[in-house]
Amino acid sequence: GNSVTQMEGPVTLSEEAFLTINCTYTATGYPSLFWYVQYPGEGLQLLLKATKADDKGSNKGFEATYRKETTSFHLEKGSVQVSDSAVYFCALLVYGNNRLAFGKGNQVVVIP
Amino acid sequence: DVKVTQSSRYLVKRTGEKVFLECVQDMDHENMFWYRQDPGLGLRLIYFSYDVKMKEKGDIPEGYSVSREKKERFSLILESASTNQTSMYLCASSTGQGRSEQYFGPGTRLTVT
Repeated sequence: GNSVTQMEGPVTLSEEAFLTINCTYTATGYPSLFWYVQYPGEGLQLLLKATKADDKGSNKGFEATYRKETTSFHLEKGSVQVSDSAVYFCALLVYGNNRLAFGKGNQVVVIP
Repeated sequence: DVKVTQSSRYLVKRTGEKVFLECVQDMDHENMFWYRQDPGLGLRLIYFSYDVKMKEKGDIPEGYSVSREKKERFSLILESASTNQTSMYLCASSTGQGRSEQYFGPGTRLTVT
């Protein structure tokens, strides 16, 4: 089946630090990959996406590269801000299947 | 911009009440979804609809039903609310084309007492 695995546990880091959140996947077909962000008390917002191997999605200083050989889509940001504190979800969608498969999400807390 | 709206941000209901959660999207999307989100469990799909009057069960449909009479509106119904249905409910929509992303509403925090 289709599934997404995110690293365990919350991530706490200082302002201006480098952020990496790992995401690996298994898929029965050729997936599109997404990162969603959820700010406190809100719904999910699409942060970035990639639809084919070696594509790089980017938005608001965040980047993720679709790595087919390692089945990964790790999220990175070079210098985080307090306003980046949120929950981040990795997700995939396989063509012909309308259902998103989500990872469990990672709480990111950025300390001033 | 795609806009998905949900009828309430916060809702408090009593055990046994019938509860309606409404979701409206303004982008003529074919697909609409209802999820619930609980700490430690992530997002779980309750039901989705790929066309008017069409629906499919998700992973946790028990205790819920849905209605889609118009393309832009997708309702989640709790026939007899129970305390274990206290949760955050998220609606989403997407086009029916290929591998398109889902757009989410702001969520409804439902408390059943």
